[in-house]
Amino acid sequence: DIQLTQSPSSLSASVGDRVTITCQASQDISIHLNWYQQKPGKAPKLLIHDASNLETGVPSRFSGSGSGTDFTFTISSLQPEDRATYYCQQHHNRPLTFGGGTKVEIK
Amino acid sequence: QVQLVESGGGVVQPGRSLRLSCAASGFTFISHGMHWVRQAPGKGLEWVAVIWYDGSNKYYAESVKGRFTISRDNSKNMVSLQMNSLRAEDTAIYYCARDGCSGNNCYSGANWIDPWGQGTLVTVSS
Repeated sequence: DIQLTQSPSSLSASVGDRVTITCQASQDISIHLNWYQQKPGKAPKLLIHDASNLETGVPSRFSGSGSGTDFTFTISSLQPEDRATYYCQQHHNRPLTFGGGTKVEIK
Repeated sequence: QVQLVESGGGVVQPGRSLRLSCAASGFTFISHGMHWVRQAPGKGLEWVAVIWYDGSNKYYAESVKGRFTISRDNSKNMVSLQMNSLRAEDTAIYYCARDGCSGNNCYSGANWIDPWGQGTLVTVSS
């Protein structure tokens, strides 16, 4: 199975800060990497698919990049409503696997 | 709009069975694969199973293989998860979700997951 290592596991940042989360795959997964946002008590929401494709309606402050084994998710200017846990997920091979999550808090 | 509504969760004793259902609406159901993903209390996301758009292929996480069965009824826009021999470690919120890709340009039958239902809680406890 492909392992996804997310870091950090948690972070605290101020409104307006640039936030970066990384996801490292245990083997080459091309661009088959997706990012989700999960707010407390809610179902996950897809933000980005295939490493860098922003979903319709998702604010442009969210972005993704990377290929192969190393991927980055960025919030360019953190907003209060971005408080959530973020997960990466690969679909290069089955079983689909998720990273451990990054909890983003607002200072 | 796309809606996925799960039902069938509850409290069940270890070793017993439970069947989850998911009613889909607002999209062309036969064009999409469907997934079940679970989340244990306070934990991360774990993919459970996928069924191809036409039911021709089904794949499972190793942790549920041989115990869980995913199925779909394209005439009723429904997907189900039959869970047998339940264990305490199966306790989780179970989400029904649509495969986000459809058509001939998809990498495979299991891609990104979008959208997700609201989830149904399964508690395995004596």
